[in-house]
Amino acid sequence: GESVGLHLPTLSVQEGDNSIINCAYSNSASDYFIWYKQESGKGPQFIIDIRSNMDKRQGQRVTVLLNKTVKHLSLQIAATQPGDSAVYFCAERASNDYKLSFGAGTTVTVRA
Amino acid sequence: ETGVTQSPTHLIKTRGQQVTLRCSSQSGHNTVSWYQQALGQGPQFIFQYYREEENGRGNFPPRFSGLQFPNYSSELNVNALELDDSALYLCASSSDGTRYTGELFFGEGARLTVL
Repeated sequence: GESVGLHLPTLSVQEGDNSIINCAYSNSASDYFIWYKQESGKGPQFIIDIRSNMDKRQGQRVTVLLNKTVKHLSLQIAATQPGDSAVYFCAERASNDYKLSFGAGTTVTVRA
Repeated sequence: ETGVTQSPTHLIKTRGQQVTLRCSSQSGHNTVSWYQQALGQGPQFIFQYYREEENGRGNFPPRFSGLQFPNYSSELNVNALELDDSALYLCASSSDGTRYTGELFFGEGARLTVL
């Protein structure tokens, strides 16, 4: 079975608010985590990544938090915009592995 | 645009047939991975090719096979198609330095429907 999953399949957010998307993983050997965004009709797009030796990493309007104790990953999007509407996937990879394991995804809908 | 192109983008086959999907990697990328994404699910790793050799495979039967060419383009072949093979097939390319990271550049995918 999949080693990565998401807590909620859908998330509705008011434009301008912050979004938080959660993900749980079960593989203790995972040491690298990534968030992807997939818009309708397109392939997944890399957003941000984090290695297991970090707890937090920030990008442009996005922050990824990693809690290895409870095997939890989250993606925070600041000031959510209509263009952020998409399906968001977390993915993980074990040390020296090439395979990415994706969760089922969270569909984010931004309300105007 | 990622520079990864796939063809065809949509196709319909019947059970038992064979299909070939093609992928041109982004310029400068020498690694190609293929993923299967069923409707409403996350992508599932099929295999990866690096310098024309398969160097990793997921839980897919042997009827899923692939090739990588000297120009780093790739093909995914599926024999004896089954209804459950209906999915979006994604090609992703990366370079030497990012083979083991998540910095994959995905194509738009090939939507396969098996009737």
